Amino acid sequence: DAGVTQSPTHLIKTRGQQVTLRCSPKSGHDTVSWYQQALGQGPQFIFQYYEEEERQRGNFPDRFSGHQFPNYSSELNVNALLLGDSALYLCASSPPPGSYGYTFGSGTRLTVV
Amino acid sequence: AQKVTQAQTEISVVEKEDVTLDCVYETRDTTYYLFWYKQPPSGELVFLIRRNSFDEQNEISGRYSWNFQKSTSSFNFTITASQVVDSAVYFCALSGYSSASKIIFGSGTRLSIRP
Repeated sequence: DAGVTQSPTHLIKTRGQQVTLRCSPKSGHDTVSWYQQALGQGPQFIFQYYEEEERQRGNFPDRFSGHQFPNYSSELNVNALLLGDSALYLCASSPPPGSYGYTFGSGTRLTVV
Repeated sequence: AQKVTQAQTEISVVEKEDVTLDCVYETRDTTYYLFWYKQPPSGELVFLIRRNSFDEQNEISGRYSWNFQKSTSSFNFTITASQVVDSAVYFCALSGYSSASKIIFGSGTRLSIRP
């Protein structure tokens, strides 16, 4: 049973560009959350998607947006990249209510130059 | 507001020593989960333990043990007879009681085990 799959694993972008990161949740999971982990810090919650809608959002600017598809997979989009957006982006999926199984992917390491 | 504090930024011990990683949390929720994750250099978050707020029993898993004290809002993690492979960054974290709740992480403790 595949866990959470993220792509790409590494990415280098230039300031001002836009980037899209992808996440496939674990089988049976319908909720996807995204986290940003800057170097030397703990992961910080960006937002969560459920039923193709953003359900919760952390303290991140509107440059960060997302999408969830009918098959529960998700994308994280970041516009107008800043050097400070360089980080490890982690996707996590969780199952429907009634069971617990918060599962993280291996992450996408984004470097903005 | 929810908050997790890991006051120890870095710890370095010699192999086979015991080491305790401290974690203090803040929440107004009466029901919540506490976690410990390990992050090796590869970057993947490795789940170690989840403990709900109702269960204050200490837990032991091999060389790992966890001490949850609700009265002091602490959830400390001890590695007994440390090994070089234990070297990693360890995160303590807190979430609400739903599987959809966001997880609040501490800033992490970098543990180095010297041979």
